[in-house]
Amino acid sequence: DIQMTQSPSSLSASVGDRVTITCRASQRIDTFLNWYQQKPGKAPKVVIYAISHLESGVPSRFSGSGSGTDFTLTISSLQPEDFATYYCQQSYSTPFTFGPGTKVHIK
Amino acid sequence: QVQLVQSGAEVKRPGASVKVSCKASGNSFTKYDINWVRQATGQGLEWMGWMNPNSGNTGYAQKFEGRVTMTQNTSIHTSYMELISLRSEDTAVYFCTSGAGDGYNFGSWGQGTLVTVSS
Repeated sequence: DIQMTQSPSSLSASVGDRVTITCRASQRIDTFLNWYQQKPGKAPKVVIYAISHLESGVPSRFSGSGSGTDFTLTISSLQPEDFATYYCQQSYSTPFTFGPGTKVHIK
Repeated sequence: QVQLVQSGAEVKRPGASVKVSCKASGNSFTKYDINWVRQATGQGLEWMGWMNPNSGNTGYAQKFEGRVTMTQNTSIHTSYMELISLRSEDTAVYFCTSGAGDGYNFGSWGQGTLVTVSS
């Protein structure tokens, strides 16, 4: 199975901050790397797919990058509605594993 | 994107089984695989398996092999996930989600079904 790790596990940030979350896969996963945002009591929502593609309707302050085994989700200017937990996920091979999540708190 | 609507919350005894449904809207049923993901309270996301609605082919995470079955009724655009031999550790919210597109991303999600296993 492909293992996904994320760092940090949580972070505190202020509105307007630039936030970066990293994700690492235990083996190369081509472009099969997606990022999800989840708010309490809600289903996850895809924000970035295939490493760097912005999902329709997601603000352009979200961006993704990376290759091989190392990937990054960046929020250029954190907004109040961005406080949530973010998960990376590989869909290169089954089981489609998720990272453990990064919780973004309000500072 | 497809809209997915799941069945309601369930409370089960240990050793029982549960069957959760996931209805897809419109004519999009055959365009997307249906994947099932669960989340225990305060925990992360755990992929359970997938089903291709055209072929009926399924694939399950090894952890759930022998306990999970994914089926469908194409005439009513509904997918099902049945989990047997329930134990307290199966208490979680179960989501169905569509899989397709670049990166094979999970673009649409059901609202989730809470399954509580308790004696």
